[in-house]
Amino acid sequence: GAVVSQHPSWVICKSGTSVKIECRSLDFQATTMFWYRQFPKQSLMLMATSNEGSKATYEQGVEKDKFLINHASLTLSTLTVTSAHPEDSSFYICSAQRRGSYYEQYFGPGTRLTVT
Amino acid sequence: AQSVTQPDIHITVSEGASLELRCNYSYGATPYLFWYVQSPGQGLQLLLKYFSGDTLVQGIKGFEAEFKRSQSSFNLRKPSVHWSDAAEYFCAVGVYMEYGNKLVFGAGTILRVKS
Repeated sequence: GAVVSQHPSWVICKSGTSVKIECRSLDFQATTMFWYRQFPKQSLMLMATSNEGSKATYEQGVEKDKFLINHASLTLSTLTVTSAHPEDSSFYICSAQRRGSYYEQYFGPGTRLTVT
Repeated sequence: AQSVTQPDIHITVSEGASLELRCNYSYGATPYLFWYVQSPGQGLQLLLKYFSGDTLVQGIKGFEAEFKRSQSSFNLRKPSVHWSDAAEYFCAVGVYMEYGNKLVFGAGTILRVKS
């Protein structure tokens, strides 16, 4: 149990376009979802935290107008990278936390974004 | 501020040898500690966690970790490494936030296993 999927697994887009990444909890309800960014050979950096039905809370330094996060249901959160630029190229990982779970997160496999 | 330090960026061990990956944390309250493993193309998988109680915790795949409050450490160990253990390992501390308890990760340790 506790499976999290992401779609797509990789995406290439042109500079200036927007791209949406989906994160789904397949077999549990996720009251909280998290979005991370991971640069090559680096750790995971938390971008934002989203609670179902609420606006996302962004970490300091993350542009909320550029990285739009929606947590419309207990099983789905989306990250939209707007007006993407090459510096947005990265590995984006989502995780989900189930109701009653204090800290444990279940991670998706990640999405590789390349902006050309 | 909360932080996690993994001093070793890379570690290479021979198959069958023992392994210890170091992790030090900085957190003002009682820490909730985790070890995750990341294999290429796969998401992070939870190896083990410490919330309270016995300071030696057992995890999956034969891993264990010991919480030492006096040293602010949570080192991961395995008595005999298998080639399939080659991956990147992340230590994390849980941080209470009003809007959702988050994890703060260390920089990770890449484990290479030589035959």
